[in-house]
Amino acid sequence: EDKVVQSPLSLVVHEGDTVTLNCSYEVTNFRSLLWYKQEKKAPTFLFMLTSSGIEKKSGRLSSILDKKELFSILNITATQTGDSAIYLCAISGAGSYQLTFGKGTKLSVIP
Amino acid sequence: DTGVSQDPRHKITKRGQNVTFRCDPISEHNRLYWYRQTLGQGPEFLTYFQNEAQLEKSRLLSDRFSAERPKGSFSTLEIQRTEQGDSAMYLCASSPGLAGARNEQFFGPGTRLTVL
Repeated sequence: EDKVVQSPLSLVVHEGDTVTLNCSYEVTNFRSLLWYKQEKKAPTFLFMLTSSGIEKKSGRLSSILDKKELFSILNITATQTGDSAIYLCAISGAGSYQLTFGKGTKLSVIP
Repeated sequence: DTGVSQDPRHKITKRGQNVTFRCDPISEHNRLYWYRQTLGQGPEFLTYFQNEAQLEKSRLLSDRFSAERPKGSFSTLEIQRTEQGDSAMYLCASSPGLAGARNEQFFGPGTRLTVL
């Protein structure tokens, strides 16, 4: 059974700090790993990662995948209060398009 | 707005009643997914359609749950004889259905179900 473990489960930082969110996984025949941001509504797509060692970047957010060690990290630099949200990590295995999600990391950015 | 839409956004019902939710995917997407999310948890997969064909169903999808996508466009999720444990956010997502790995899923706003 596919499994995703995210850490930490919650995190409080001050504006301007840099944070690293962790995602480890177990999956049969890895297809892709996805990161989503969830505020008080549905998850919004951030990144899809399929290859090890290739950083995906969007503004202050970046993510990288290590398929050998079975984990991914999501970095947010110069955090802002608008980054406060739950960040979800999900994986997809070959032969299936369903996503298996972790419980998420709740990030709180305080002024 | 060309995103995924869901209706209704909120539903309150009494235990034992039937409810039906609707999802309209992004128009060019041929894959459609249903997930359920409870407080403190990530979304859990329920079922998935490619066009009108239901290709996967989770063990979470008891026989009280049924989903359809009759014309390969919108989808409905029906829950019969609702139970309090069905209270959750029901999320719909769609993806392009391209060959290969590029199939990021885009989520709708969800339907929050409360069973009294």
